[in-house]
Amino acid sequence: GAVVSQHPSRVICKSGTSVKIECRSLDFQATTMFWYRQFPKQSLMLMATSNEGSKATYEQGVEKDKFLINHASLTLSTLTVTSAHPEDSSFYICSASPGQVVNTIYFGEGSWLTVV
Amino acid sequence: GQSLEQPSEVTAVEGAIVQINCTYQTSGFYGLSWYQQHDGGAPTFLSYNALDGLEETGRFSSFLSRSDSYGYLLLQELQMKDSASYFCAGKVGGGGNKLTFGTGTQLKVEL
Repeated sequence: GAVVSQHPSRVICKSGTSVKIECRSLDFQATTMFWYRQFPKQSLMLMATSNEGSKATYEQGVEKDKFLINHASLTLSTLTVTSAHPEDSSFYICSASPGQVVNTIYFGEGSWLTVV
Repeated sequence: GQSLEQPSEVTAVEGAIVQINCTYQTSGFYGLSWYQQHDGGAPTFLSYNALDGLEETGRFSSFLSRSDSYGYLLLQELQMKDSASYFCAGKVGGGGNKLTFGTGTQLKVEL
């Protein structure tokens, strides 16, 4: 079964509203989680590194005030898209791992966001 | 910065062997991974090369040459279910398994 779970899998929201996406590690603790965004037919682009107990680290070009990340526990990180616009419509996916070994990087199922 | 380039599309017939290349320009990354992603799904780990050479995992093999900044994924005995997107990804330093993904290759397997 899935070791990293995301919720919701699909969400539709109106322009100007905010939407929260959760990423949970189910059977391990993760001090670091990563959030990616993927537009149709494109690659995964790293948005930010979520750090438990401290501020997230954002990649260049990603607006930290628009994409709020909270990593309040060792098993949960949340991504909140604030004041959503249609161009924010995308597939958002998180990853986490229990250690440093690459083949133990687990991805969530992803969340499809549609802003109307 | 980092960039990993892949062919955008590859088409092959069932039962054949296909190679998906990945060339990269980056510094300070630790190994090359390969992921499979079906439409609407999460990436699935396929293979990882920390060092130069060939890694074999069932029908999938991956190769890395760090001196050439080049790697490839080899898929043997292609099946229809192998139709998917394939991404190479470089693990970036700094801990926590941070990945930079390649541009991605859409593989179409035909009868």
